Amino acid sequence: DVKVTQSSRYLVKRTGEKVFLECVQDMDHENMFWYRQDPGLGLRLIYFSYDVKMKEKGDIPEGYSVSREKKERFSLILESASTNQTSMYLCASSLRLTGSEKLFFGSGTQLSVL
Amino acid sequence: QKEVEQDPGPLSVPEGAIVSLNCTYSNSAFQYFMWYRQYSRKGPELLMYTYSSGNKEDGRFTAQVDKSSKYISLFIRDSQPSDSATYLCAIEGGGADGLTFGKGTHLIIQP
Repeated sequence: DVKVTQSSRYLVKRTGEKVFLECVQDMDHENMFWYRQDPGLGLRLIYFSYDVKMKEKGDIPEGYSVSREKKERFSLILESASTNQTSMYLCASSLRLTGSEKLFFGSGTQLSVL
Repeated sequence: QKEVEQDPGPLSVPEGAIVSLNCTYSNSAFQYFMWYRQYSRKGPELLMYTYSSGNKEDGRFTAQVDKSSKYISLFIRDSQPSDSATYLCAIEGGGADGLTFGKGTHLIIQP
């Protein structure tokens, strides 16, 4: 069974903290993605990666960075957390970047920044 | 102009009803059309995928694409309380831009 695992379901952090969100997939997928999901705004792409050590900005990369040192692991980093980064964060992986792409999502991390 | 429009709902219908969920899009270059289902406090999962105009059926679910009108639909027959979820349409152009998601429609099936 395919699996995308996010390390935490719920996180509470303080403004200014450095925050790491971890994601691991066991499907040997090349492509991995980080989205945030907010009521009324839907899913928005933060960053994606199509290979180890490669990264591409999505629609809202400001305030975030990513790391992909191993194929199965994709980390999202909030360098200095702010209250407007309170959100549901979803990691996903897929086999191909173009064409009929099927995304597999993790269960999400609900991050609250106080 | 937003690329994919989807009514957020909530849409509440009685059990057994036929449900129609819809999205409109603006970019005629879009080629691939998908529906994801997201249960509360879970990540989205792919429900239906189609490439061309027309209908595609899978059990109680039918995905319909009208490229001339830039309109896609998901029909659910004999709806069940377990169908209560948020349904997101997702559209892709086949290039390097990846998926464009609608904001999702929150569906409630009343027992």
